[in-house]
Amino acid sequence: DAGVIQSPRHEVTEMGQEVTLRCKPISGHDYLFWYRQTMMRGLELLIYFNNNVPIDDSGMPEDRFSAKMPNASFSTLKIQPSEPRDSAVYFCASAKTGNTEAFFGQGTRLTVV
Amino acid sequence: GQQVMQIPQYQHVQEGEDFTTYCNSSTTLSNIQWYKQRPGGHPVFLIQLVKSGEVKKQKRLTFQFGEAKKNSSLHITATQTTDVGTYFCGAAGNKLTFGGGTRVLVKP
Repeated sequence: DAGVIQSPRHEVTEMGQEVTLRCKPISGHDYLFWYRQTMMRGLELLIYFNNNVPIDDSGMPEDRFSAKMPNASFSTLKIQPSEPRDSAVYFCASAKTGNTEAFFGQGTRLTVV
Repeated sequence: GQQVMQIPQYQHVQEGEDFTTYCNSSTTLSNIQWYKQRPGGHPVFLIQLVKSGEVKKQKRLTFQFGEAKKNSSLHITATQTTDVGTYFCGAAGNKLTFGGGTRVLVKP
């Protein structure tokens, strides 16, 4: 397996634009997590899915953020409209269960100017 | 939800010395996971601890889970430059949340 695949690796966008981050989890993993990493706030859990269903989105900072998982092999995290304070590295991770090791993607470095 | 705190936030270590990083929770944890993130990289799983008082070793790394399952520690002996990175503890149990991490810098 190629591991968790995220795209794009880097994204630079202007304030107010819509940004969509993509994630392909490892096949057979039932859990998918989206994290945001910044120097100030560390590694924050934004939302996680179990069997494609969003279970806990309490970490989503505001209504500008939304996440979907239309099938077991694909998830998106959308920011609309984007703001400079959204600049961060966004990681997607998947796991077989909620209690087993999580495999992280390479991350998407987002810069909003 | 489960929250874990890590100390220290930064650790400057002389090559060859030992150090320990700590992870603390106000609530009992079902299990705890440790990850390492190299500079510019992504978190990579190191180990999971499940049982009260459990101790596991990986070469120069020793992981311990407290008796009350509210704290954990990672001890590295004879630090090497390859140990550079940020070490995170994560509280697992469906929702995997992380402490702030300990960023380790090694002085040769």
